[in-house]
Amino acid sequence: EVQLVQSGAEVKKPGATVKISCKVSGYTFTDYYMHWVQQAPGKGLEWMGLVDPEDGETIYAEKFQGRVTITADTSTDTAYMELSSLRSEDTAVYYCATDFCSSTSCPVPLGLSLWGQGTLVTVSS
Amino acid sequence: SYVLTQPPSVSVAPGKTARITCGGNNIGSKSVHWYQQKPGQAPVLVIYYDSDRPSGIPERFSGSNSGNTATLTISRVEAGDEADYYCQVWDSSSDPLYVFGTGTKVTVL
Repeated sequence: EVQLVQSGAEVKKPGATVKISCKVSGYTFTDYYMHWVQQAPGKGLEWMGLVDPEDGETIYAEKFQGRVTITADTSTDTAYMELSSLRSEDTAVYYCATDFCSSTSCPVPLGLSLWGQGTLVTVSS
Repeated sequence: SYVLTQPPSVSVAPGKTARITCGGNNIGSKSVHWYQQKPGQAPVLVIYYDSDRPSGIPERFSGSNSGNTATLTISRVEAGDEADYYCQVWDSSSDPLYVFGTGTKVTVL
């Protein structure tokens, strides 16, 4: 079955770092970009960045630049999103998702058709 | 950055048609995707490339895009269509590259 399975909920103190995983199954991990999307409670979706698992190249939204690190471990078919210097505004559900696009396909990206179940990160002192 | 504006809410009676707009500067020149999100669940892609439906999405869902407005149309609305809906585009000259709309809550009366 094609699916993305994320790690469980996290509670962190302000200033800490959180690292969330996203395990891929059912397709070749290195074939397609992996995206991360943030959704604060009661708010909309916000794109954070992506990684190309083939070569590890990343693109980040400027809002998160400097605090977010997205990586891909091809030995375990797992993508990671690390967010540092956490503050209360980072309390949110974080999703990994793929559009089944790569650097050699999709001149115009497809929509994000496969999503993980989401990971709730709570930042509280 | 590129901004996508949606109405906060749309109400519709069962069996009627719901239209959700997504406004953006010259959005007609971009490819628009639409997502449905029910409470506590991950988003689901319902329309891609303006008007294409992924496998498993009912024909009741359709999309169009022209000028400064893209529209998601839900025909013969059912109670199960009650959800938040988001439009999204890719803009290679913008930050962020992938932009989501502000979201619309569809309420089935």
